[in-house]
Amino acid sequence: QVHLQQSSPGLVKPSQTLSLTCAISGDSISSNSASWNWFRQSPSRGLEWLGRTFYRSKWSNDYALSVRSRITFNPDTSKNQFSMQLNSVSPEDTAVYYCARGSSSLRAFDIWGQGTMVSISS
Amino acid sequence: DIVMTQSPDSLAVSLGERATINCKSSQSVLYTSDNNHYLTWYQQKPGQPPRLLIYWASTRDSGVPDRFSGSGSGTDFTLTISRVQAEDVAVYYCQQYHTTPWTFGQGTKLEIK
Repeated sequence: QVHLQQSSPGLVKPSQTLSLTCAISGDSISSNSASWNWFRQSPSRGLEWLGRTFYRSKWSNDYALSVRSRITFNPDTSKNQFSMQLNSVSPEDTAVYYCARGSSSLRAFDIWGQGTMVSISS
Repeated sequence: DIVMTQSPDSLAVSLGERATINCKSSQSVLYTSDNNHYLTWYQQKPGQPPRLLIYWASTRDSGVPDRFSGSGSGTDFTLTISRVQAEDVAVYYCQQYHTTPWTFGQGTKLEIK
């Protein structure tokens, strides 16, 4: 059974970097039939896809245009997890953040992390 | 970006009655190479992440009750709950998996009348 466990970032202040980690169990981050995605959800933005990292003979990342200049994903094969760093955060980045597996066969996000509430406040 | 628009924003249905939620995409989500519509439906209950209900527009995920069904083609899709149960109270989202950025509808809140 596949499970995704998200870390909690603690308190993040404006202009700082938000860091989140998603640990994978029951699947391999290097799977050729999955992508590993980050989302956020807020009343103002709804459900928003932030980007993905995936392995197809080599590692690739796709980022949403809205955060492309501030976001970085890093897969960690030794720990079977992936992380997200969002730089220069502002109160507008306050949201619940989720990681999720994208299934290449189902063409859907079939496994989700539990979600992490992130508040950006001084 | 493909814009996903759901209707209605909310609906109230009596227990045992049918609920219908509509989703329209701004362009076709038909993947011509395999003739599948890459349209997905999720259920989200308060405090929980989204749960996959239906993929390829009409295929139920494992463990999803058969009272949930999906239909549609091209740009117009429907999620139907044939006999609403109390545990179906949630927000339902459609999502396209055709072209990045993957995008979601705004959600439809289902309540019991």
